[in-house]
Amino acid sequence: GAGVSQSPSNKVTEKGKDVELRCDPISGHTALYWYRQSLGQGLEFLIYFQGNSAPDKSGLPSDRFSAERTGGSVSTLTIQRTQQEDSAVYLCASSVGDTQYFGPGTRLTVL
Amino acid sequence: AQKITQTQPGMFVQEKEAVTLDCTYDTSDPSYGLFWYKQPSSGEMIFLIYQGSYDQQNATEGRYSLNFQKARKSANLVISASQLGDSAMYFCAMRPTNFGNEKLTFGTGTRLTIIP
Repeated sequence: GAGVSQSPSNKVTEKGKDVELRCDPISGHTALYWYRQSLGQGLEFLIYFQGNSAPDKSGLPSDRFSAERTGGSVSTLTIQRTQQEDSAVYLCASSVGDTQYFGPGTRLTVL
Repeated sequence: AQKITQTQPGMFVQEKEAVTLDCTYDTSDPSYGLFWYKQPSSGEMIFLIYQGSYDQQNATEGRYSLNFQKARKSANLVISASQLGDSAMYFCAMRPTNFGNEKLTFGTGTRLTIIP
């Protein structure tokens, strides 16, 4: 079946602009995760959705970052007023058991 | 808090040889899961193998096996009969297995290069 998909694959934006990154999880997966991969910080957890429970936002680096998951499926990660330090690859994963399956990521470049 | 340590930033291995990628971890959680992921140059994180902390036997998946030594807090990945396509970054990761706390903590990775 289809894996996790993310769009866009690449996004270049100017400092101060808002961006939205999209994640389509594997059908039937109840949990959805966002991670960020950057040269300086490695792989970092951002936010986690599990079913209808309140999301775990403990990894969001600032209040400029937010995410929602509509209908228990698609998720959007929004970064407001982007900064150059937001440049990274944003990875989405989904799971229904122990293992998280990752999408191809969105490479965000903030100029 | 959890911590994963991968001490080998890079490794070069001759094709067809076996390779061991080191991973040590630290956690106060009584129950946890350990994972290895492969990230080729394309960027996608590919799940390789999983080991639960209470599993009695070491996990195996094809050419991949996980050498789990709980007392030493190590979870090394062994790749047998390496192939050119194994060249990639490899990440060790862990998470608690209690519901609602399932975020992965990753190591810094090992870049494996297979030499023909």
